[in-house]
Amino acid sequence: GENVEQHPSTLSVQEGDSAVIKCTYSDSASNYFPWYKQELGKGPQLIIDIRSNVGEKKDQRIAVTLNKTAKHFSLHITETQPEDSAVYFCAASYPNQGGKLIFGQGTELSVKP
Amino acid sequence: GAVVSQHPSRVICKSGTSVKIECRSLDFQATTMFWYRQFPKQSLMLMATSNEGSKATYEQGVEKDKFLINHASLTLSTLTVTSAHPEDSSFYICSAREGQPFNYGYTFGSGTRLTVV
Repeated sequence: GENVEQHPSTLSVQEGDSAVIKCTYSDSASNYFPWYKQELGKGPQLIIDIRSNVGEKKDQRIAVTLNKTAKHFSLHITETQPEDSAVYFCAASYPNQGGKLIFGQGTELSVKP
Repeated sequence: GAVVSQHPSRVICKSGTSVKIECRSLDFQATTMFWYRQFPKQSLMLMATSNEGSKATYEQGVEKDKFLINHASLTLSTLTVTSAHPEDSSFYICSAREGQPFNYGYTFGSGTRLTVV
């Protein structure tokens, strides 16, 4: 079935440290893996995504890695800042099921100044 | 970039009444629309997928007669919560996808906070 597991559920780091969030997915056909940041009362905001034909993508302080063999992908945030505090969700697409996007359970990141 | 306008942002309704939520793609054609529900401190749970001009496909456990989805045009999809009850109070979010299978973009609306009293 469709399943995306995300860990940890909460993560607290000191400002300037790195944060890593990990996700696994179940369908080997999944080919698109976005990460979203969600602030209270708002819709999810895309922060970075990766497609199945690459293993890593970086955008300034944010990077995502993908291991298709193991069916897992990770979000890396370096030099964290207090404004990075939010809930982060990973997601995986299911192209053989209408392209639906299934979300992980979410990680509440707290960056302490 | 692509924008999806979702309205209303907040709505309060009485138990037993119906509420309609609209999502419009402003600068692209949304061939597929996804509707999610999110309870406090939980993840986004997919309710249904709809393609323009076709009947929606509902996820297991989602009542299709209670959550009516219409996707009659490439720029507008609506979700109607019929005979709403307090347990339907939640944050509803739409996501639109344009183009063919190799266009992966998903654009999310800003969400609708539904409170049933």
